[in-house]
Amino acid sequence: EPEVTQTPSHQVTQMGQEVILRCVPISNHLYFYWYRQILGQKVEFLVSFYNNEISEKSEIFDDQFSVERPDGSNFTLKIRSTKLEDSAMYFCASSPTGGKFTEAFFGQGTRLTVV
Amino acid sequence: AQSVAQPEDQVNVAEGNPLTVKCTYSVSGNPYLFWYVQYPNRGLQFLLKYITGDNLVKGSYGFEAEFNKSQTSFHLKKPSALVSDSALYFCAVRALNDMRFGAGTRLTVKP
Repeated sequence: EPEVTQTPSHQVTQMGQEVILRCVPISNHLYFYWYRQILGQKVEFLVSFYNNEISEKSEIFDDQFSVERPDGSNFTLKIRSTKLEDSAMYFCASSPTGGKFTEAFFGQGTRLTVV
Repeated sequence: AQSVAQPEDQVNVAEGNPLTVKCTYSVSGNPYLFWYVQYPNRGLQFLLKYITGDNLVKGSYGFEAEFNKSQTSFHLKKPSALVSDSALYFCAVRALNDMRFGAGTRLTVKP
């Protein structure tokens, strides 16, 4: 069964450093998303991406964050200068369409720890 | 704005008993509602969704959910709980470009 894959599973970084979280969405999906979850709490929407551009972003997704689809398979989230409060589980998701009745498929997540 | 609420942080049931995990929604227009489950150190797994049609939706692992328009609810149910059902459950509503999740309910099924 096709699945969303994320690497690495765990990333430890020093405050102020840049990190790139990587995702390979399901191959025939067109819509991509990043969510984050702080320590088993609510899953928060960060950004959605379609047709090589951001379609929506939340207030969390400030200038420190960026997303990119550098090739036909990868979808990345970059945090330019990490802060302690960026420590969270980051989930990538994809869906075949962007319609309201389409579920998103989630990866296993990358646990980011900022020290 | 589309949103969902899960009024219970924690639900405890005994194995073999029926379980209910509650969710209420607030949407403009037609609601498109989802349930996801998260096992420890895992991602979110899709369980079921309500788009239109029958108010009782059947999903994975024997779960079902009942859509109630008058009460704006979409409760997750299972007739007989298993210890392996213990996990974090999230209700979600689909907006056009993203999915909005509830705070989650931790279900613990005791043997």
